[in-house]
Amino acid sequence: TQLLEQSPQFLSIQEGENLTVYCNSSSVFSSLQWYRQEPGEGPVLLVTVVTGGEVKKLKRLTFQFGDARKDSSLHITAAQPGDTGLYLCAVSTHTGRRALTFGSGTRLQVQP
Amino acid sequence: DAMVIQNPRYQVTQFGKPVTLSCSQTLNHNVMYWYQQKSSQAPKLLFHYYDKDFNNEADTPDNFQSRRPNTSFCFLDIRSPGLGDAAMYLCATSPPGRGTSPLHFGNGTRLTVT
Repeated sequence: TQLLEQSPQFLSIQEGENLTVYCNSSSVFSSLQWYRQEPGEGPVLLVTVVTGGEVKKLKRLTFQFGDARKDSSLHITAAQPGDTGLYLCAVSTHTGRRALTFGSGTRLQVQP
Repeated sequence: DAMVIQNPRYQVTQFGKPVTLSCSQTLNHNVMYWYQQKSSQAPKLLFHYYDKDFNNEADTPDNFQSRRPNTSFCFLDIRSPGLGDAAMYLCATSPPGRGTSPLHFGNGTRLTVT
């Protein structure tokens, strides 16, 4: 079983719609990161959440870390075609070394 | 700009023919990583270097080896590529220690095995 399960796996929506993607685990983490990967490029960090219940906003993106620090969500308001990409949550599973384990990913396509 | 550069962007090799992928960084980060990403999947860690200290993941096949001659460069050697090794290979770096600094990824090398 995957350490981090992301849902949905695929999402195709129209420009202007709202959406939420989820990252779930049975393990507790000290922090969790969200990355976005565009086709043909490497992942780029969007946000790091550290405190249980924490909410962070990045323009139209809202990230939340669960109270128990086992799960996280990413909400996008009024999606745009530029939001298209693979959204990955990731946690460190190697003490002191920051080697990340990634979730299964959510592939988002926003149609104009 | 400081960055992580992978060469080549696209590599085609024949079944069983050794291939080397390269990664360089100008960030002066101590830690370098190699990830394998197959189509529609998440990146999977193969190994990482903490300075010259090599850390292999338990499920990384013996077919995959790595070299880090200095801080700036890291190589991924695939000794006898199989069709199942076709993937995007991503190099990443990070500074040392605990904390929440991000990994800095290169744009990857897409490997095709014919």
